Amino acid sequence: KQEVTQIPAALSVPEGENLVLNCSFTDSAIYNLQWFRQDPGKGLTSLLLIQSSQREQTSGRLNASLDKSSGRSTLYIAASQPGDSATYLCAVDLGGTASKLTFGTGTRLQVTL
Amino acid sequence: NAGVMQNPRHLVRRRGQEARLRCSPMKGHSHVYWYRQLPEEGLKFMVYLQKENIIDESGMPKERFSAEFPKEGPSILRIQQVVRGDSAAYFCASRRDNEQFFGPGTRLTVL
Repeated sequence: KQEVTQIPAALSVPEGENLVLNCSFTDSAIYNLQWFRQDPGKGLTSLLLIQSSQREQTSGRLNASLDKSSGRSTLYIAASQPGDSATYLCAVDLGGTASKLTFGTGTRLQVTL
Repeated sequence: NAGVMQNPRHLVRRRGQEARLRCSPMKGHSHVYWYRQLPEEGLKFMVYLQKENIIDESGMPKERFSAEFPKEGPSILRIQQVVRGDSAAYFCASRRDNEQFFGPGTRLTVL
């Protein structure tokens, strides 16, 4: 059974800092991995999708890396801003017929002024 | 191109009543997923449907819960005889290629 863990559970940083969020998964036979952002009381916004054959993906100030063999992914946020404050979720897809996602419990990020 | 739509956004039911949650996928998407987020927990997969077919319902409770995705109209998640433990946020997602796109969710409160 796939289990996804995210560390840290919560993080508070001053504006402008670069930061790294970690995601680990127990079954390395993944099809892809997605990073999402969830604002309080809102839905999920897809940030980055990394296919199993890829090592990283970049979008603006965000960079996500994937190391399948060690069961790890990191989300790097450069020059953090207060608007980045949210919960960040990683989710893995094992593929197959359903391609359902298994989620971590998230990292709650607070960027302070 | 509108995103995934869910309604209602908030739903309050008393114990024993029925709850119906609706999801309209993104235009052209024929794959729909339902996930549940219990308070202070992560999202958990419930069911995966294609038009008129349930493909995987391994995450769905065996009793009181059902889902459908008819040929016409939205996907429906139905919860019969709701209990307080059903209080949660229910999210729908539709899939394009390998990526899932989520709706804003329906927050169900059972009194």
